[in-house]
Formats: sequence, structure tokens, C-alpha cells
Amino acid sequence: ILNVEQSPQSLHVQEGDSTNFTCSFPSSNFYALHWYRWETAKSPEALFVMTLNGDEKKKGRISATLNTKEGYSYLYIKGSQPEDSATYLCAFYRNSGGSNYKLTFGKGTLLTVNP
Amino acid sequence: GAGVSQTPSNKVTEKGKYVELRCDPISGHTALYWYRQSLGQGPEFLIYFQGTGAADDSGLPNDRFFAVRPEGSVSTLKIQRTERGDSAVYLCASSHFLGELFFGEGSRLTVL
Repeated sequence: ILNVEQSPQSLHVQEGDSTNFTCSFPSSNFYALHWYRWETAKSPEALFVMTLNGDEKKKGRISATLNTKEGYSYLYIKGSQPEDSATYLCAFYRNSGGSNYKLTFGKGTLLTVNP
Repeated sequence: GAGVSQTPSNKVTEKGKYVELRCDPISGHTALYWYRQSLGQGPEFLIYFQGTGAADDSGLPNDRFFAVRPEGSVSTLKIQRTERGDSAVYLCASSHFLGELFFGEGSRLTVL
């Protein structure tokens, strides 16, 4: 993996379903992994900032896990609601040398929750 | 306001013209990022400032694109000789060093 890859690209679920999606990133020079939610006509907003291997974070019905050794993070949504419909972006902070750090975004997973 | 402010929110220009997009970050944030989002894509990195200097400008697509942040606060993204392919939403975000990003609402550029 050279870049940040997210799967699936898009997802349709019914209200009440639980769902999850994946962010894969290079496992070398890891500093942090961010998850953002981007609703239509709004700006992206941070959900989680994760730095430690094995980290698990939770905010309401949304949770995320992190595996830095194998280079992946999962985002879970329990009991999806229509207001969860958004694009979910992950972004990977890596040390690109010395004090240089670079944040690279994936293309996102577009989640649509049907009532 | 307390958030990241971007102006203009919408800019329509003709091919070949010069455009400036402005970003006012959150006060106290040392890091400032410019991203570009084309239809159906995630945000594409353009340039990152830490303070006044560009710490990483590797995402600028060519020498028609330039950005400045002379006093370590407001930043201006400058695009010369605009082309139709430059049409996109240009997002600015600011953060504390290596912290979560706070985004502005974007400047939508349309080049006719």
C-alpha cells in the first residue's frame, strides 16, 4: 500500500442496519490516523484521531479501531440512521523525513442510509 | 467567527484569468492546509504551511499554482492562467501542529 485506500467506495444500508468500512494505509512511518465525516453541503468534521496500535475509539453509535502493524483501520456504525448518510474520509499522517509530516486523505466511503 | 473562513465562496472566471482564494484560519492554529476536491474524489492535498513557511508543497499540480502565508495566519492560494481543469472546490483547513483539521466551507472555482 503506497496511498490511503478506502473500501467500499459506496454503501447503501437500511435504517437500523449496522455497517463497517475499511481504511488501509502504509504501515511504515506511521504517526496518526484520522477519520472525518463529510455531509453534503457542509465541511468535513473530525470524528476520531488515533495514534496507538490497538486503539479503539467510540462516539455514540460510531466506533473505530486501529492496527498500525498491518496498516488498517475499521469504522463501525451501529444501528445506522438516515442522518449518518455522509462521506467518511480517513486520513493518514506519516513522517516524511525529519520534522516533515504529511496528511494524505483517502477518497472516502459514501454511506447512504435509507429510511 | 471562531471557524475557518474562506472567501470567495463561489468564483466563476474565464480561462486564462488569474484567481486568488483566501483562507482565514482559526486563531492560534500554526498549521494550514489547502486541498482541492474534484467531483467524486476525496480531498487532494495541495500545500501545507507550518507557520509562515510551506512545509510541503508537493501537491501543487504545476507552477501556475502558488500559495503564501506571509504572517503565519491568513493564506492566499493564487492560480495563474486558469484552465478548465482547475475547476474544483478548494478547501482550506487549519490545526494545531499534527492535530485534527478544522475545515472551512470551501471556495468553489468554475473556469469557463
